[in-house]
Amino acid sequence: GAGVSQSPRYKVTKRGQDVALRCDPISGHVSLYWYRQALGQGPEFLTYFNYEAQQDKSGLPNDRFSAERPEGSISTLTIQRTEQRDSAMYRCASSSSGVGALTTGELFFGEGSRLTVL
Amino acid sequence: AQSVAQPEDQVNVAEGNPLTVKCTYSVSGNPYLFWYVQYPNRGLQFLLKYITGDNLVKGSYGFEAEFNKSQTSFHLKKPSALVSDSALYFCAVRAPSGGSYIPTFGRGTSLIVHP
Repeated sequence: GAGVSQSPRYKVTKRGQDVALRCDPISGHVSLYWYRQALGQGPEFLTYFNYEAQQDKSGLPNDRFSAERPEGSISTLTIQRTEQRDSAMYRCASSSSGVGALTTGELFFGEGSRLTVL
Repeated sequence: AQSVAQPEDQVNVAEGNPLTVKCTYSVSGNPYLFWYVQYPNRGLQFLLKYITGDNLVKGSYGFEAEFNKSQTSFHLKKPSALVSDSALYFCAVRAPSGGSYIPTFGRGTSLIVHP
């Protein structure tokens, strides 16, 4: 597609349920990032992929959070046993730069998935 | 660890006046610096970046930013503000050589341009 697509745009769930958030990056983009953004804050890094390889998951808050990108394109961020503190905007971004140490590329963001945990 | 500070939560300016949105950074090694804009209910959009070379970089919508290594700053500027510039602005840093190539964002500055 023309841009980064995220779904669902809005998700309301009950505490304890699992949720899956999907990101479809710009075609051909090698790098894919997940960020979380709380109200009034900047995006906070969660995890990062080059192709299908998860290069860095140091930002995932705990083991309830996981992400995959099995074919190097679409990615899914899964939150198990959701808690109210997980409520936030989850943003996906892709970038055409693939060489981590030398990358200078800007990120292209989707419109985000707003998660509300009741 | 690398970090970005945007000291102003909100900047108010009258239409037609020059605007400045401030950003300072902390990294080990040479920084790659970026500005993004976020309109309501939209994703962040890239405005401009500094990688190397000329300290003054020009970007989209008439915006520019000046890299100042001694002051570790990368302030966003525009000579004449428009009401349509009202949005959230985020500064970001990458530091592949001494920090992390993963972009670190500031908390954002809300720019309000009054008619």
